[in-house]
Formats: sequence, structure tokens, C-alpha cells
Amino acid sequence: GQQVMQIPQYQHVQEGEDFTTYCNSSTTLSNIQWYKQRPGGHPVFLIQLVKSGEVKKQKRLTFQFGEAKKNSSLHITATQTTDVGTYFCAPNTGTASKLTFGTGTRLQVTL
Amino acid sequence: DAGVIQSPRHEVTEMGQEVTLRCKPISGHNSLFWYRQTMMRGLELLIYFNNNVPIDDSGMPEDRFSAKMPNASFSTLKIQPSEPRDSAVYFCASSSGQGAADTQYFGPGTRLTVL
Repeated sequence: GQQVMQIPQYQHVQEGEDFTTYCNSSTTLSNIQWYKQRPGGHPVFLIQLVKSGEVKKQKRLTFQFGEAKKNSSLHITATQTTDVGTYFCAPNTGTASKLTFGTGTRLQVTL
Repeated sequence: DAGVIQSPRHEVTEMGQEVTLRCKPISGHNSLFWYRQTMMRGLELLIYFNNNVPIDDSGMPEDRFSAKMPNASFSTLKIQPSEPRDSAVYFCASSSGQGAADTQYFGPGTRLTVL
């Protein structure tokens, strides 16, 4: 079955530093979604990537889909305290009947 | 527009008691999902419905768990009897697509504590 590894599990940065989380699948993906969950909150959809090599930006967030469509990354430039939370990837193989959420990367940002 | 609504937001119960969690999906959405989140196991899909019909319940832990969707605007997740290991945050989510791979909108969750 599909295996999804998300790394790192946890990262603590100083405000202003950059942050990257990676999502790696053992199988080729049809698309991948990213979600953010603030502490005590619920997952909120950020973006969906579909095309090989696709890059999408949302302000300071850059999302990338690998050329082989087996991995993806989320990069945050100049983190702010509002970026605190857990970032989940949710890859889809196109054949599964359900999303499989990655284990998440918990980001802590301090001043 | 109202998002996904869940009730109760918090539930504390004793082992052996029946627990019923409720969800109202976003109006017009035809897929509904129940998830459980714990530190140990992360975010797990328990069951999902499409057009009120259960499509995939392979994530339901055991017979103590059951879910229903009597109409397009309401679903329940029942645990009977509850056990301490059921303590978790239970999320309901809905989407407007046909499959589980569509964008999902999560409710605020129900934090369940079983003593």
C-alpha cells in the first residue's frame, strides 16, 4: 500500500528564518493536497498540486510537486509567529478511495 | 456561509457509556468524512459517505463504532460501549466532489475524553 513519509516531524525556528517540510510517497501520485492545523484547531486546506514539477505560491508559502510526482515540499520564507501549526500533506494516488494524511510537521516559531 | 458544524465540542464520559457525535456538513456537499486524531496515530479516516451512502468504512476500529447518515445534512458517529483508548479529537469533514480526494472542509472537532 501507499506509504507517506513527512519530514521533519518537528521544527523549531526563530521568527524570520525559513522552513521547509517534505512529503515523500512510495508510489506515483495523481495529486497532492496540503493542509494546515493551528494548535487546538482543525485542518484547513491550503492548496492542491496536480502537474509534474508544478510550483505554486501563496505569499510567503511555496509549494512544489516533484517531477516524478512522488514527492512534494512546502517552503515558508521568513517565518512569522502566525505560521505556527502542523502542516499535513495528503497525497492521492488516483485509485484509492480516500485521502491519506501524512504524519505532519509541527512548526514552532519563536521571537 | 456556515462551515461544517459538529456537536458537542467537548465530551467527557465514563468507560462503558454510549457516545454520539454529530455533524452537519456544508450545504450542497455530497461527501462526508469522519476522522479521528491522536498524538500516537495522527489523523485517521474512519469512514466516508457519498450521497449519504457509506463508501469506505475500513478505518472503523471495531464493532463498537458505527456511523450513519440518514440525510444529506446530518451524520452521527456512535461509540458503544466507549473505552479510554477512544479518547481523541473526532473531526467531521465534507466535500463537494465525488471522491475522498477532493478538497475537504473540516469541522471544529469534538474532543472526547473517556475516563
